[in-house]
Amino acid sequence: DAGITQSPRHKVTETGTPVTLRCHQTENHRYMYWYRQDPGHGLRLIHYSYGVKDTDKGEVSDGYSVSRSKTEDFLLTLESATSSQTSVYFCAISEYAGVVYEQYFGPGTRLTVT
Amino acid sequence: QKEVEQDPGPLSVPEGAIVSLNCTYSNSAFQYFMWYRQYSRKGPELLMYTYSSGNKEDGRFTAQVDKSSKYISLFIRDSQPSDSATYLCAMSAGGSAGGTSYGKLTFGQGTILTVHP
Repeated sequence: DAGITQSPRHKVTETGTPVTLRCHQTENHRYMYWYRQDPGHGLRLIHYSYGVKDTDKGEVSDGYSVSRSKTEDFLLTLESATSSQTSVYFCAISEYAGVVYEQYFGPGTRLTVT
Repeated sequence: QKEVEQDPGPLSVPEGAIVSLNCTYSNSAFQYFMWYRQYSRKGPELLMYTYSSGNKEDGRFTAQVDKSSKYISLFIRDSQPSDSATYLCAMSAGGSAGGTSYGKLTFGQGTILTVHP
């Protein structure tokens, strides 16, 4: 496995509470991404980072914010969790491999908002 | 309409069968095409990628791209029960270092494949 860890791996939280998910990499890759995976939708990009303190929105960014203060850590925050944010969240990292950016995924965080 | 469409299946085949997985797309800017495999409750893992049109073979797996039809395929020969997983196609518009695509991928919905003994 690529050196990517996600924490927590499982979380149950209540509607309206803030939640922060952490992605940590040991590969020193420049690019990091947060996706959510839901049945019938595949993987959808929430936010991505192209360097320390450099982030941008993806396809489904409403209700989420991110921060990257170090190369190795990329945090995803749900500012006020809603039931529609119940999902499996994957972090990914990539680096240019000469032809294409090869993207590698973490093990995922299963989040339930009650 | 989604940029990338993939038949979610599920697809169930006997061991040894040839499996064909397909995706269509609408964005002409896509140049790089990937296939990921995802086992249950795991993160996706990169199987193979191709650039532009053509075929690429890796063991029992063959990836095919037809840009004129905006259609990509993954063929699995001599399928095994260990191939049972969800297969996701993914596409990217740019691949050059420093480009503004930042390696972003657009994924299909995934096809659930079961290979039974």
